[in-house]
Amino acid sequence: EDKVVQSPLSLVVHEGDTVTLNCSYEVTNFRSLLWYKQEKKAPTFLFMLTSSGIEKKSGRLSSILDKKELFSILNITATQTGDSAIYLCAALRGTYKYIFGTGTRLKVLA
Amino acid sequence: DTAVSQTPKYLVTQMGNDKSIKCEQNLGHDTMYWYKQDSKKFLKIMFSYNNKELIINETVPNRFSPKSPDKAHLNLHINSLELGDSAVYFCASSPPGQGPYNEQFFGPGTRLTVL
Repeated sequence: EDKVVQSPLSLVVHEGDTVTLNCSYEVTNFRSLLWYKQEKKAPTFLFMLTSSGIEKKSGRLSSILDKKELFSILNITATQTGDSAIYLCAALRGTYKYIFGTGTRLKVLA
Repeated sequence: DTAVSQTPKYLVTQMGNDKSIKCEQNLGHDTMYWYKQDSKKFLKIMFSYNNKELIINETVPNRFSPKSPDKAHLNLHINSLELGDSAVYFCASSPPGQGPYNEQFFGPGTRLTVL
């Protein structure tokens, strides 16, 4: 059965800290790995990763995929209170099916 | 300027009632989805339509029936609502094509509360 597991489930840090969120997957016909940020409402897209070893960056956020070991990490440097959210990863199986992990709830304290 | 919209945003209803949630996207996407997010924030896919054709139908009670009148709309009808149906329901869409570049865009969600 397909599964996507995220760790840790929750995390509390102080502003300025660096955090690493993990996502491991076992998905047949894997195509790509996506990261989303969910604050109060809908998930918003952060990254899509399809190739191993190529880091994607957007400001203080970066992510990388390892297709051999079947995991991805999302790094956030110099965290701010606005980074407080649930971070979701999803594996795309085939063309259409997205399988989401349980999410990591990040809280950044001022 | 809304990309994926859902109505209503909130729905409070009694057990046993029938209700519908509507979703529309103006992104020109071929594929639309319904997800259920429970109180633990776990997002689970329910249905997906591609060009009005049902392509994913997960293990969902048959009280839930999706309908896609055209590729810009995907509605969800729920019969005989139960307490366990209380959740946030998200609609999403993704672009056409069979490549691995299918980022999903989510609607704002409909919070359903069954009393």
